[in-house]
Amino acid sequence: DGGITQSPKYLFRKEGQNVTLSCEQNLNHDAMYWYRQDPGQGLRLIYYSQIVNDFQKGDIAEGYSVSREKKESFPLTVTSAQKNPTAFYLCASSTRALNEKLLFGSGTQLSVL
Amino acid sequence: AQTVTQSQPEMSVQEAETVTLSCTYDTSENNYYLFWYKQPPSRQMILVIRQEAYKQQNATENRFSVNFQKAAKSFSLKISDSQLGDTAMYFCAFTANTGTASKLTFGTGTRLQVTL
Repeated sequence: DGGITQSPKYLFRKEGQNVTLSCEQNLNHDAMYWYRQDPGQGLRLIYYSQIVNDFQKGDIAEGYSVSREKKESFPLTVTSAQKNPTAFYLCASSTRALNEKLLFGSGTQLSVL
Repeated sequence: AQTVTQSQPEMSVQEAETVTLSCTYDTSENNYYLFWYKQPPSRQMILVIRQEAYKQQNATENRFSVNFQKAAKSFSLKISDSQLGDTAMYFCAFTANTGTASKLTFGTGTRLQVTL
């Protein structure tokens, strides 16, 4: 079955450490997205990519980095510059058709030790 | 910048009853899309329904329907014959027709509890 796989489900970060969240899709979607969800808040866009080797900052990109070397993969690195990384991170993908619906992965809960 | 407002943090409805969740948005765009997403306790985001702004007819998906009032910038979700499985967070979302990426702006969500 086609879908979006996020790993790990739970991740813990130590002070000063960079961590990478994995997102893989086998839907042949061109566009991929990373959202952050905090309690009591909606989802906020971190980064998105419309095509391989290209990506753009979203609303809250500071302290995060991404790469898009393959169509299927869009990993997110939470750097030590992100001072409040504890959140639920959701990856999504869509076709490049205008305003096509987003399909989401099952998410990664990141916590600080 | 677009904003999406959901003014009801929590709502409760009895099984088999009807409930309406409110959403308002602010935009200067004329062509855009609106969505309702459901997030059950599993935290998986699931698309419930989608509305194109240029369509006057309200979207319907089985027990879910919307009341889209473009002039008032209002986009409410009606759930009929509520079921226990409808218990979830519901998020309203907006995207404008500004490119090939469906960048969604989300509201803060409404937590819906369906009771016996």
